[in-house]
Amino acid sequence: GNSVTQMEGPVTLSEEAFLTINCTYTATGYPSLFWYVQYPGEGLQLLLKATKADDKGSNKGFEATYRKETTSFHLEKGSVQVSDSAVYFCALNTGFQKLVFGTGTRLLVSP
Amino acid sequence: GAGVSQSPSNKVTEKGKDVELRCDPISGHTALYWYRQSLGQGLEFLIYFQGNSAPDKSGLPSDRFSAERTGGSVSTLTIQRTQQEDSAVYLCASSPQPNPMDEQFFGPGTRLTVL
Repeated sequence: GNSVTQMEGPVTLSEEAFLTINCTYTATGYPSLFWYVQYPGEGLQLLLKATKADDKGSNKGFEATYRKETTSFHLEKGSVQVSDSAVYFCALNTGFQKLVFGTGTRLLVSP
Repeated sequence: GAGVSQSPSNKVTEKGKDVELRCDPISGHTALYWYRQSLGQGLEFLIYFQGNSAPDKSGLPSDRFSAERTGGSVSTLTIQRTQQEDSAVYLCASSPQPNPMDEQFFGPGTRLTVL
C-alpha cells in the first residue's frame, strides 16, 4: 500500500541553523508529494508541493525536490527562524483523492 | 475569502453517546474530505465526498461512523455510541476539484474527548 515515512522528532535547532527533515514514500503509480505545516494553535496548511519527478517545491525559504529514484521528498531550509517552530507533515496523493500522511516531525527552534 | 470552518471546536461527551461534527467547506469546492488526527494513529483519512456522494468511505473505522453531505456544501460526520478510542481531532478539508495534484484546504478541527 501507499505510505510515507518521516524522521522522528523533535528536531531541535538554534536560530539560523540548516534544517533537513527526511521523508521517503512508497506508492503505486506516480504520486503528488506535499509538505503541510501545523503551527502551534493553528490548522494544517500547505507549505509546498511537487507533482512530478525532479520538480522542486519552494515556499517561505523551504525547498523539497521530488526524487523518484530514491522515493524521497526531503524538506530543507538554509536558515531557520524561531517562527518556523511547528509540526511538519510529509504527504502523498496517488489519485485516489486522499492524502496519506507521515507521522509528523516537530521542529523546535530556539533563539 | 472564508476558509473551511468546523463546529464545534471542542466537544466533550460521555462514552456511549452520539455526536455530530459539522464542516462548512470553502464555497464552490466540490471535493470534501474528513481526516482524524490522534496521538496513536497520526493523521488518517476517513471519507471523501465528490458533490453529495462518497466514492471512498474506506477510512471509516467502524459502522458507528457515518457521514453525509447535502447541497454539495455542508457535511456532517456522526459517531454513534462513542468510545474512548474515538477521542481525537477531526479535521475537514476541501478542494475545488478532486485533483490529486491540488492542495487540500483544512479547517481548524473539532477536538473530541470521550470520557
